[in-house]
Amino acid sequence: NFMLTQPHSVSESPGKTVTISCTGSSGSIASNYVQWYQQRPGSAPTTVIYEDNQRPSGVPDRFSGSIDSSSNSASLTISGLKTEDEADYYCQSYDSSTLVVFGGGTKLTVL
Amino acid sequence: QVQLQESGPGLVKPSETLSLTCAVSGYSISSGYYWGWIRQPPGKGLEWIGSIYHSGSTYYNPSLKSRVTISVDTSKNQFSLKLSSVTAADTAVYYCARVDYYGSGSKVYAFDIWGQGTMVTVSS
Repeated sequence: NFMLTQPHSVSESPGKTVTISCTGSSGSIASNYVQWYQQRPGSAPTTVIYEDNQRPSGVPDRFSGSIDSSSNSASLTISGLKTEDEADYYCQSYDSSTLVVFGGGTKLTVL
Repeated sequence: QVQLQESGPGLVKPSETLSLTCAVSGYSISSGYYWGWIRQPPGKGLEWIGSIYHSGSTYYNPSLKSRVTISVDTSKNQFSLKLSSVTAADTAVYYCARVDYYGSGSKVYAFDIWGQGTMVTVSS
């Protein structure tokens, strides 16, 4: 089964840039599009990136997404970190066998 | 704007059936889109349960397929989840969401609008 693996946690200081990776277990992660969701404590997830690198309206351009086929991974980069960015982040994609795959989530701490 | 709202019992006994409903406002389910259920056990990650098209076609997570039924009621503009033979492992926050699914080659399967979620505890 296709799986997406994320680091359990990352931390960075306000104003800095952080990148969260999402690595595919097999095949090519570039075969289907990757989404990224932000989940603040006690709230439902919201989309920050869809179609690998597209931002929904209202999401600041400090958030960007990319795909690296050589490492079979997707990345979410947040620049100019703010304390409000502290949250859990999940990558998610389509798989022909299971339809939907979520990464395990990454806890971002802004300290 | 489009809003989704989950409802149902917050406590279910082991071996019984969990039943939840998602009411959709601001958009007619009959107009299109897939509609899905996702759950999140306390302190853990997200797990897709299944999705339904407005026509009634269903797609389930293989790991839950034997216990899951998702249905749609277009007259009430809502869709529902039934999960049978529940155990403590089914204790979670259950979210409903609208699914944006498209693409002829590379596919997008994205949850673009989420409900606020409802906590369901399985306990006697």
